[in-house]
Amino acid sequence: EIVLTQSPATLSVSPGERATLSCRASQSISSSLAWYQQKPGQAPRLLISGASTRATGIPARFSGSGSGTEFTLTISSLQSEDFAVYYCQQYHNWPPMYTFGQGTKLEIK
Amino acid sequence: EVQLVESGGGLVKPGGSLRLSCAASGFTFSRDSMNWVRQAPGKGLEWVASISSSSRHLYYADSVKGRFTLSRDNAQNSLFLQMNSLRVEDTAVYYCAKTRDGYLDGFDIWGHGTMVTVSS
Repeated sequence: EIVLTQSPATLSVSPGERATLSCRASQSISSSLAWYQQKPGQAPRLLISGASTRATGIPARFSGSGSGTEFTLTISSLQSEDFAVYYCQQYHNWPPMYTFGQGTKLEIK
Repeated sequence: EVQLVESGGGLVKPGGSLRLSCAASGFTFSRDSMNWVRQAPGKGLEWVASISSSSRHLYYADSVKGRFTLSRDNAQNSLFLQMNSLRVEDTAVYYCAKTRDGYLDGFDIWGHGTMVTVSS
């Protein structure tokens, strides 16, 4: 099973600043990585797939990078609505055995 | 409007059964692979099961294999999860979600979730 490790567990950032979230895979997953945002009481929302392709309607301040085992989600200038929990997900295996990271909580500093 | 709506959750005793449903609208359901993902209270996301567009391919997490059965009815734009031999650790919000493209991709449409509580 491919294990995803997200860091940090909690990130405190001020509005308007940049946030950088990390996701590390236990083995190479090429670019088969997605990022999600989840707010309390809501379903997750797809932000990024293919490690770097923004989903439909996602603002340009969200960007993803990386390949292999190291991935990054960057939010360039934090807005109030961006404070949430963020998960990475890998979909490299066949047959599918999707796994998620444990999440990073992005909180207001 | 593109939408997934889950139903069928509730309170059940350990060893009991539940059948979850997910109604799709606003997209061509029959073309897309579909999935169930669950989230225990205060915890992270856990993939549960996936089904291909034609139902030919079915995949399950080890934690539910042999107890849960995934199916779909493309004529009714519906997805189902039959859950048997339920355990306390199956307590979670269950989300249905659409695979963005093909068999392996992110999940681009999610329902609001339905709560399953397994308790005596």
